[in-house]
Amino acid sequence: AQSVTQLDSQVPVFEEAPVELRCNYSSSVSVYLFWYVQYPNQGLQLLLKYLSGSTLVKGINGFEAEFNKSQTSFHLRKPSVHISDTAEYFCAVRPMIYNQGGKLIFGQGTELSVKP
Amino acid sequence: KAGVTQTPRYLIKTRGQQVTLSCSPISGHRSVSWYQQTPGQGLQFLFEYFSETQRNKGNFPGRFSGRQFSNSRSEMNVSTLELGDSALYLCASSSRGVGNTEAFFGQGTRLTVV
Repeated sequence: AQSVTQLDSQVPVFEEAPVELRCNYSSSVSVYLFWYVQYPNQGLQLLLKYLSGSTLVKGINGFEAEFNKSQTSFHLRKPSVHISDTAEYFCAVRPMIYNQGGKLIFGQGTELSVKP
Repeated sequence: KAGVTQTPRYLIKTRGQQVTLSCSPISGHRSVSWYQQTPGQGLQFLFEYFSETQRNKGNFPGRFSGRQFSNSRSEMNVSTLELGDSALYLCASSSRGVGNTEAFFGQGTRLTVV
């Protein structure tokens, strides 16, 4: 079984400041890792994904995340946020098993609020 | 390339009625998954269809069902609606080829049960 914990439900930050959104996961099998963003009344948009290889992955809109296998974490970072980054962010895992591959397990989400 | 299309975007239904939601995946994608999003429970996996067969099912009552057609379009049905079924229902498609693990989401259908 898999579970995902996003450690902060809300993160307020000032514009141009750095931000880190924290995600820990638990799984009995290997997983792929994802970060999605959701703007109000919209679906989910993929920010970045970790499949294998380099543990530092870069995504869209200047976001990056680092996979730490020993700590089972996949924290999302951005060095300088903009007002337009205000949204809800979801960390998710997907089991590396073919017949389970269509199932994403999500964390509860982190609301990022960027203030001027 | 067109994205994932969900119809309708908004629905209001009365308790006890049934509802059908539709999802058209990205052209060439054969896997369609459905998720329920509520403020209390977050994003929860409902089921996945691949080549017209249900591959995975989440922990939802039998009132929630789905199907996939030969053109990969999918529908989900909720019978005997309850107030707690009010939610944003999201559909995601993926190609499920080797190494293709990215799911693309539609904008969702907002269902309100009154």
